[in-house]
Amino acid sequence: DARVTQTPRDKVTEMGQEVTMRCQPILGHNTVFWYRQTMMQGLELLAYFRNRAPLDDSGMPKDRFSAEMPDATLATLKIQPSEPRDSAVYFCASGLGDGETQYFGPGTRLLVL
Amino acid sequence: GENVEQHPSTLSVQEGDSAVIKCTYSDSASNYFPWYKQELGKRPQLIIDIRSNVGEKKDQRIAVTLNKTAKHFSLHITETQPEDSAVYFCAASNPRTGFQKLVFGTGTRLLVSP
Repeated sequence: DARVTQTPRDKVTEMGQEVTMRCQPILGHNTVFWYRQTMMQGLELLAYFRNRAPLDDSGMPKDRFSAEMPDATLATLKIQPSEPRDSAVYFCASGLGDGETQYFGPGTRLLVL
Repeated sequence: GENVEQHPSTLSVQEGDSAVIKCTYSDSASNYFPWYKQELGKRPQLIIDIRSNVGEKKDQRIAVTLNKTAKHFSLHITETQPEDSAVYFCAASNPRTGFQKLVFGTGTRLLVSP
């Protein structure tokens, strides 16, 4: 049963530190999404990749967030510098083409002190 | 852009009862409507989805209905069980943005009491 994997599962850091979250999409999937989930805002789309190319990152604070796909098996989301308001659960999801089902990873729970 | 509203925010039922969660969307071009179930501390998992060329879809105890004219869709769970307790999210997606961006509702917390 293929699944999206994410690391780390939990991260506690201090304000100002760099945070890197990693995602391994399901083998063969060509779309990757990064979401942020908070109680107040729900599930928000941060970035979207198709065939490793970033197609939309309008939901991402550009000054501190960056998302990349170094290769087809790895997607990264980086926050530098981190702030307490970045505390949330970050989910990666992958899919097979546009308009297809998105499968979520287990999430990275981030706490910025 | 697309806006998805979901009601109710919480729903409590007795085991064996039916549960209905409703969502409305704003963009008539939306053509894909998935429902996700998220248990506490877990990932959202797709439980059923429907496309705009279909009015209803069933999978055992769950069903989804779509009314394109009214721009709303609903999740129906029959014979609820305690393990159905979770947060349920609806979403809508359309190609107008150039890709199939999912816009999620705010979630419904379903509690099924034994």
